[in-house]
Amino acid sequence: NAGVTQTPKFRILKIGQSMTLQCTQDMNHNYMYWYRQDPGMGLKLIYYSVGAGITDKGEVPNGYNVSRSTTEDFPLRLELAAPSQTSVYFCASSPTATGGEQYFGPGTRLTVT
Amino acid sequence: QKEVEQNSGPLSVPEGAIASLNCTYSDRVSQSFFWYRQYSGKSPELIMSIYSNGDKEDGRFTAQLNKASQYVSLLIRDSQPSDSATYLCAVTNAGKSTFGDGTTLTVKP
Repeated sequence: NAGVTQTPKFRILKIGQSMTLQCTQDMNHNYMYWYRQDPGMGLKLIYYSVGAGITDKGEVPNGYNVSRSTTEDFPLRLELAAPSQTSVYFCASSPTATGGEQYFGPGTRLTVT
Repeated sequence: QKEVEQNSGPLSVPEGAIASLNCTYSDRVSQSFFWYRQYSGKSPELIMSIYSNGDKEDGRFTAQLNKASQYVSLLIRDSQPSDSATYLCAVTNAGKSTFGDGTTLTVKP
């Protein structure tokens, strides 16, 4: 099992550009999450999904969009990139909601200049 | 007030000592509590979960939960230099986890 994979590992965007961060898990987990982590800070929830076709906003959703067409994939779309979106982005999955143990991908380091 | 607060750190302990990491949370209906370890430049990895009041031990790690005081802690016994990392407390309710900002632990040989 590869677990949770994310691509790309690094990306530099210019202000106003758009991109999609890819996330795939092969553990058949229903729950998937996108977080951002700014330097020295904890994880902030951007969006999450409780299953294919169902998504919901987290704490910091502005400037992002998600879709969940399959159990395996949960891409995060950045529209009109801004310097405030410079961060490390982690995707995670969990087999249950109440259990809550999450398995994280390796992260994508994004810089917007 | 932050939903999940941790010792501001950094915390430094000598090798072989006990490291104590603390976390308080504000949402009384929180159901599940987790400690993640994050090495610099890496993603978080789960090291402990606890769901009911009391202590839970796993090797050198002990998690303690007190729901009345809205407090969860992590003790690391016989600390090793390889334990040097940032420890994140996470509190979960209805499928959503809220993370603290983390406490950075350094174990000095």
